[in-house]
Parts: sequence; structure tokens; C-alpha cells
Amino acid sequence: EVQLVESGGGLVKPGGSLRLSCAASGFTFSSYSMNWVRQAPGKGLEWVSSISSSSSYIYYADSVKGRFTISRDNAKNSLYLQMNSLRAEDTAVYYCARDLAEGWELPSTFDYWGQGTLVTVSS
Amino acid sequence: QSALTQPASVSGSPGQSITISCTGTSSDVGSYNLVSWYQQHPGKAPKLMIYEGSKRPSGVSNRFSGSKSGNTASLTISGLQAEDEADYYCCSYAGSSTYVVFGGGTKLTVL
Repeated sequence: EVQLVESGGGLVKPGGSLRLSCAASGFTFSSYSMNWVRQAPGKGLEWVSSISSSSSYIYYADSVKGRFTISRDNAKNSLYLQMNSLRAEDTAVYYCARDLAEGWELPSTFDYWGQGTLVTVSS
Repeated sequence: QSALTQPASVSGSPGQSITISCTGTSSDVGSYNLVSWYQQHPGKAPKLMIYEGSKRPSGVSNRFSGSKSGNTASLTISGLQAEDEADYYCCSYAGSSTYVVFGGGTKLTVL
């Protein structure tokens, strides 16, 4: 059974940093691109970032480019999101999501999602 | 403002069919066969319902179907059931600058 479990969320002041983690199990993690998708309270979904299976290709939404860094450790079956210079508008539930197609390098379709971790940016 | 436009809400009675539209542009929906649809119940993670415009993942009811015409994609749910009441989001690949765009979401109410 595919499982994605996020952790690392919490309350942080504007300008602060936070590192999210996503532990994957139930599939060959090193074969799939992985993504972060967020959802502000009461709002819709927003794609944040994607990393290919071997970390060769990394993509960011303009809203987080230069502030967030996605990475992965295939030996540990883990995905990360380092978030710096956080702003109030980054407040959201952050979901880890697997890309549908094994070996596909471009982010497009998300077939498994974690339960999400809440990040609150407030003074 | 979301990149893809969906109606804020739709409703239907049990057994009826409803269709949710998702309007994009020639830079996203119109250019790629990579439209997906997600169902989200309150407090839960999104669930993939349709991918590549019209394909259903294993385990998704055949009451759910997708289509596309030009810059507009559509999700149709037939034989509405109470458990279909949820938020629905469309999503599309949008090229090598924007990459992925979502619609603003549609709240489906089963009357």
C-alpha cells in the first residue's frame, strides 16, 4: 500500500524557516517524481514544486522560487521542502504527492497524496 | 485568481448527472492532454478521479467521466450519490514555465 506521511509543519514567524519532510513507503520511491502541493485555509490547491526521480529536474512555482528548495533522499525514501523567508501567504496545508507515471520527468498528475502538514506563518 | 476557471458550486439530486467545467487557455488545457480531476472531502487529502482528460484510475467508479473540447475540460458524474458531495478541482500541465495550474475548485452539493 502506498503511503506518504508529511511532518515538520508548525507555527513560524514571518521571515523564518521551516523544513518539511515526507516519508514514503509501499512503492519504489526512486522511480517516481515527487511533488509538494499546498492549500491555504478555505482556499484551492496550488502546486508548489516538483523533483524528478533522480533529482535531475527540479521545478518551482513562481510564488516560491528563490525561497523554497525541494530535495529528496532515495536511500531514505524521503522528500523534503526547505522553506525560507516565509510569508503570511505561505500559510497552508502542505501535501506531498506522487506523480502518476513512473519515470515521467514533468509534473502533471498526482495519484497518491499524504494527509498534509499545516504551516502557519504569523507573528 | 486561479489559472483555470471552474464554477464555484453545482448541485444535483441523487441519481441525476452533473457536469463541472474547467476553462483554461491554449497554453494549458488546449495544448496538452494532461488534464486531471481531484475529489476532496472536508479535512481529507485530494483523490485522483480522472487523468489525461478521460482516463479513470483503478478503483474509481465508472460514474465519473472526463472530456475535453478546445480549452475547456469537463467532469461528468452520473447517478449522483450522497458520497459524491465534495469539492472537485481540475488541473492541467501548463508548459515549461508555469508547469502546473489548478482550477479554483467546485463545491458539489447532492440535494
